[in-house]
Amino acid sequence: DVKVTQSSRYLVKRTGEKVFLECVQDMDHENMFWYRQDPGLGLRLIYFSYDVKMKEKGDIPEGYSVSREKKERFSLILESASTNQTSMYLCASPPPGTRTDTQYFGPGTRLTVL
Amino acid sequence: GENVEQHPSTLSVQEGDSAVIKCTYSDSASNYFPWYKQELGKGPQLIIDIRSNVGEKKDQRIAVTLNKTAKHFSLHITETQPEDSAVYFCAATFTGANNLFFGTGTRLTVIP
Repeated sequence: DVKVTQSSRYLVKRTGEKVFLECVQDMDHENMFWYRQDPGLGLRLIYFSYDVKMKEKGDIPEGYSVSREKKERFSLILESASTNQTSMYLCASPPPGTRTDTQYFGPGTRLTVL
Repeated sequence: GENVEQHPSTLSVQEGDSAVIKCTYSDSASNYFPWYKQELGKGPQLIIDIRSNVGEKKDQRIAVTLNKTAKHFSLHITETQPEDSAVYFCAATFTGANNLFFGTGTRLTVIP
């Protein structure tokens, strides 16, 4: 079974703080994705990575950066958190050799920025 | 641009009735259409998918139909049970894109 884990289920941060969201997958997948989920907007792609140290912007990258120093770990960074970044953040990883096939999702991190 | 529209946004059915959720997509070359179920406090999980070379796929009480000419696909849940209550997302691939595109979700409530 593919397992995607996220470091925190719930986070509360203050405006201006630097926030790190961690995602780990245990299946040696090359592709990993970060989505943001908001009511009425569905899942929107923030960034994805197709290999160690490789990344590409998704649809809504503004205010975010990512890091992938090891294949199994993909981090989402909010350089200076703002209240409009309060959301559910989902990490996902598809099977090897594909980016657009089945996504295996982590449990999500619900971030609140005060 | 790429777009997946999903309807309805909320759906309430009596236990035992059927539920149907519909999605339309914009790219006629799309070839993969998964459906995800998200229960409260969890990430989305794949429940069924269909590829463009078939028109229908069934897995017990769940079925997906695809109409490529009309560019829409639907999720059908028969004999609904309270544990079917969740948010359901459709998704589609688009030519040249590196990721799936998701619908906006349908919150299904099955009333016991």
